[in-house]
Amino acid sequence: GEDVEQSLFLSVREGDSSVINCTYTDSSSTYLYWYKQEPGAGLQLLTYIFSNMDMKQDQRLTVLLNKKDKHLSLRIADTQTGDSAIYFCAERAGNMLTFGGGTRLMVKP
Amino acid sequence: GAVVSQHPSWVICKSGTSVKIECRSLDFQATTMFWYRQFPKQSLMLMATSNEGSKATYEQGVEKDKFLINHASLTLSTLTVTSAHPEDSSFYICSAPLKEHYPTGELFFGEGSRLTVL
Repeated sequence: GEDVEQSLFLSVREGDSSVINCTYTDSSSTYLYWYKQEPGAGLQLLTYIFSNMDMKQDQRLTVLLNKKDKHLSLRIADTQTGDSAIYFCAERAGNMLTFGGGTRLMVKP
Repeated sequence: GAVVSQHPSWVICKSGTSVKIECRSLDFQATTMFWYRQFPKQSLMLMATSNEGSKATYEQGVEKDKFLINHASLTLSTLTVTSAHPEDSSFYICSAPLKEHYPTGELFFGEGSRLTVL
């Protein structure tokens, strides 16, 4: 079946850039998503990228997609303490959304 | 953006009772809604696809008699956990596609419902 992998944990200092990586296996993915989940809360859609795009930038967020290597990354510029959360990547094929295990981002002041 | 709301956000119940969780699309109509389950420190697992006016489609391994889904209107889907047991304790999240963006666009998620079964 489809598999989406993420590293478990990332720690950065406030003001630095954060890069969260994700790999996926389903070559029929149409869209790839990044969601943010704060403690005890639901998912907040941060951004998404269509599978025929290489890059998408949205304010402090930059998404890079290497479709050949099935690698997706989320870069957060000027990371703030409020960015501390769990970040999930997800791939979509048809109606199915498959999530990675989540990367916990900790931002140190 | 579109809003999906769940209720209750937190529920504690005794073992053996049934619990209903509601998922509403507040400013758009959703003929399809998705129910996910999230275990602590784990990812979301799709449980079932709720279809307005017809039976839900369950993922492999999900007991349809245990997790009853009813999509009674274009803005409401309900998940009922029947005869709940402690192992059913989890975070349940629904999502719905904004029709005009679907299938090309995004899904909107509810805020989640945390179920604790004593």
